[in-house]
Amino acid sequence: AQTVTQSQPEMSVQEAETVTLSCTYDTSENNYYLFWYKQPPSRQMILVIRQEAYKQQNATENRFSVNFQKAAKSFSLKISDSQLGDTAMYFCAFMKPGGSNYKLTFGKGTLLTVNP
Amino acid sequence: DTAVSQTPKYLVTQMGNDKSIKCEQNLGHDTMYWYKQDSKKFLKIMFSYNNKELIINETVPNRFSPKSPDKAHLNLHINSLELGDSAVYFCASSLDRAPYNEQFFGPGTRLTVL
Repeated sequence: AQTVTQSQPEMSVQEAETVTLSCTYDTSENNYYLFWYKQPPSRQMILVIRQEAYKQQNATENRFSVNFQKAAKSFSLKISDSQLGDTAMYFCAFMKPGGSNYKLTFGKGTLLTVNP
Repeated sequence: DTAVSQTPKYLVTQMGNDKSIKCEQNLGHDTMYWYKQDSKKFLKIMFSYNNKELIINETVPNRFSPKSPDKAHLNLHINSLELGDSAVYFCASSLDRAPYNEQFFGPGTRLTVL
């Protein structure tokens, strides 16, 4: 079974600074998908960014980018120019395609607080 | 317009009762999901339906029974509620089963069992 580990339960950053959230995963698969979801205090889960394992290029979405290290099974999220609205729980998630395994396996989350 | 809606948003009930949570999506998606988020914020898949067919059924007590009357709806019925069922339940949908598709989540239903 796949596992996803987020080793930082909580982090804080000053507004306008850069922060990196770490995520590692365990799998024997070669083809899979990785995601970062955000859950602000409103409780709504929102997709931040996603990466296909067969793509070497790191995904980028505006201020959000990932550092995908396939050999190390690491998928960290970098948030540049942090904004107060980035305050949220961030969940790293893994999906292995094929068979009935179309399910997201989530890490336990990192609570990010952006301070003014 | 809300893409994925859930009713109710809050549900407080006594142990032993039976309750249902409803989910509707207006995105035209084929695949819908139920997740449970516990008090420590850990999020875990419970069920998934694709075109009204059950495709994922995790290790969930059989007191939980999903029902999909059509592609746009996936309801969750819980019998004989227990204290440990207290959690936030999220419904989600995606275009289809393809793994790269974004899952759109509802606002969640906070269930409190007393």
